[in-house]
Amino acid sequence: DAGITQSPRHKVTETGTPVTLRCHQTENHRYMYWYRQDPGHGLRLIHYSYGVKDTDKGEVSDGYSVSRSKTEDFLLTLESATSSQTSVYFCATAPTAAGELFFGEGSRLTVL
Amino acid sequence: DQQVKQNSPSLSVQEGRISILNCDYTNSMFDYFLWYKKYPAEGPTFLISISSIKDKNEDGRFTVFLNKSAKHLSLHIVPSQPGDSAVYFCAASASTDKLIFGTGTRLQVFP
Repeated sequence: DAGITQSPRHKVTETGTPVTLRCHQTENHRYMYWYRQDPGHGLRLIHYSYGVKDTDKGEVSDGYSVSRSKTEDFLLTLESATSSQTSVYFCATAPTAAGELFFGEGSRLTVL
Repeated sequence: DQQVKQNSPSLSVQEGRISILNCDYTNSMFDYFLWYKKYPAEGPTFLISISSIKDKNEDGRFTVFLNKSAKHLSLHIVPSQPGDSAVYFCAASASTDKLIFGTGTRLQVFP
């Protein structure tokens, strides 16, 4: 009954290649977020969306871009992957700007 | 500059005893605080929240305390159970701004 699915769940890629992670939700939530989780840093916001085609940067947005062409899907693109982008990426959604976030199961990305 | 800090990376507690997880923040504009729980290979899940107009919120075995003057919140789990073993993140936001997460505390509950 997962309302938020991320794909791929695991990916290994090489430095310099583009990578796209997809987040798909069935919750009809307006707000969507991409976080990365790294040891010693917790969860850090990369980009977020507050509606279709409305996106903004988070605290660690360099090297990442996003797109949201419809309510259900939020794509995170690494234009040219680097080893520092090896991480676990989480998508989250929320019905309102304030309050609880609902997270996907995560996508583990390894950049060699 | 870490606005939300969890200074204890790990905590080990015996089953049945109390677990106390701590979180400090620096931004006095934060007015909403949440705790999330995360098991390995899963996404974080919401546990409990508190707004700045309250100093305590309770939900079963979980209680969150907020001390605004000290900019400190804590999560109490009583009694602790092995299934509580997970990483706990505190998070804070100011009005409708984005959530800021702490670095997490790994709780291990042993028999």
